[in-house]
Amino acid sequence: NAGVMQNPRHLVRRRGQEARLRCSPMKGHSHVYWYRQLPEEGLKFMVYLQKENIIDESGMPKERFSAEFPKEGPSILRIQQVVRGDSAAYFCASSPLVVIPYNEQFFGPGTRLTVL
Amino acid sequence: DQQVKQNSPSLSVQEGRISILNCDYTNSMFDYFLWYKKYPAEGPTFLISISSIKDKNEDGRFTVFLNKSAKHLSLHIVPSQPGDSAVYFCAASEGYSGGGADGLTFGKGTHLIIQP
Repeated sequence: NAGVMQNPRHLVRRRGQEARLRCSPMKGHSHVYWYRQLPEEGLKFMVYLQKENIIDESGMPKERFSAEFPKEGPSILRIQQVVRGDSAAYFCASSPLVVIPYNEQFFGPGTRLTVL
Repeated sequence: DQQVKQNSPSLSVQEGRISILNCDYTNSMFDYFLWYKKYPAEGPTFLISISSIKDKNEDGRFTVFLNKSAKHLSLHIVPSQPGDSAVYFCAASEGYSGGGADGLTFGKGTHLIIQP
């Protein structure tokens, strides 16, 4: 029973390039969340998606960042024209349909993005 | 403005004694609280949670206490073991939307060090 999978684990990009981060949720999970962790900080919520739907993107920067969770395949977090400030660990989490009282979110190992 | 605060960046406890990690929050709409444990280069792992309608939840060596009037919660680990050395994050949620749990708001974490 595989957990949340993220790839790549490490990604190095030069300023101005694009970064694509992938997340495969746990089997049977239909909700995906993306978080970003800057050095010495806690995790910051970015976006919450279901299949083919963005439910909450209140934590996403307004420009250069986008996320999708297609009907088939993994969820993708895309960062266009990366800048040094995008260097961080990006974590994906998944959860199943709501079950009372609450479903905890299960996290993947993260992708460490370094922008040179 | 931080809605979830962990004011102790680090805590050192002797093996076998009790570890107490504290967390304060400001958002009165939070109705579910979770504790995650994180090792370096790994994703957070769920530990224990508590609903706002309860004041205590226990799971083995881990107990979480919630004081709603003070907007404060704490995680007790007893007895502390060397494998408990990790960063502990307090997280909170306002509830549900789109059929799934909302994105979590995290504190900055407390680095717990268990000394032999």
